[in-house]
Amino acid sequence: ETGVTQSPTHLIKTRGQQVTLRCSSQSGHNTVSWYQQALGQGPQFIFQYYREEENGRGNFPPRFSGLQFPNYSSELNVNALELDDSALYLCASSSLGADTQYFGPGTRLTVL
Amino acid sequence: KQEVTQIPAALSVPEGENLVLNCSFTDSAIYNLQWFRQDPGKGLTSLLLIQSSQREQTSGRLNASLDKSSGRSTLYIAASQPGDSATYLCAVEEGAQKLVFGQGTRLTINP
Repeated sequence: ETGVTQSPTHLIKTRGQQVTLRCSSQSGHNTVSWYQQALGQGPQFIFQYYREEENGRGNFPPRFSGLQFPNYSSELNVNALELDDSALYLCASSSLGADTQYFGPGTRLTVL
Repeated sequence: KQEVTQIPAALSVPEGENLVLNCSFTDSAIYNLQWFRQDPGKGLTSLLLIQSSQREQTSGRLNASLDKSSGRSTLYIAASQPGDSATYLCAVEEGAQKLVFGQGTRLTINP
């Protein structure tokens, strides 16, 4: 059984650019959630996908968008990058309704 | 809006001591509360999950308690070791697996 994986590990972009982060769910999981963790802060919920549909969203602007694919892997897209988007982006996979979510190692995004 | 607060923000203790980390939340309508560990620059590892109907959970040297009515949880670590050094995060689930996290307590265990 493979765990949750994320790519890339690190990424550097400039303000105004667009970025795509990827997450491969743990085998058998049909739900993926994305979190943003700024330096020194706790993670903040961005959104969740279940069976390729958005299933809940936190307080993030529309330039944060996502996709979930039939194999339950997922992408997080951020348009018009701002300096404050610099953070560790975490994805977590689970079965819908399960108590436990399994977190990936994260993607560190730096916006210059 | 649910808010989760962790005190202290940082803690440094000598090896072997018992210690307590605190977490408080503003809305008692939660599904469960979890404690996570995060090593620098890494993802999260779930340590303990307490259902809203439970009072405590134990795993090895870790014990977590939950008092929903007062909006408080504690994580007790017995006989601390240098390998326990990490950031500890408390999170409450509001439903639909949405987790609201505290800002974490950075723990350093000195040999």
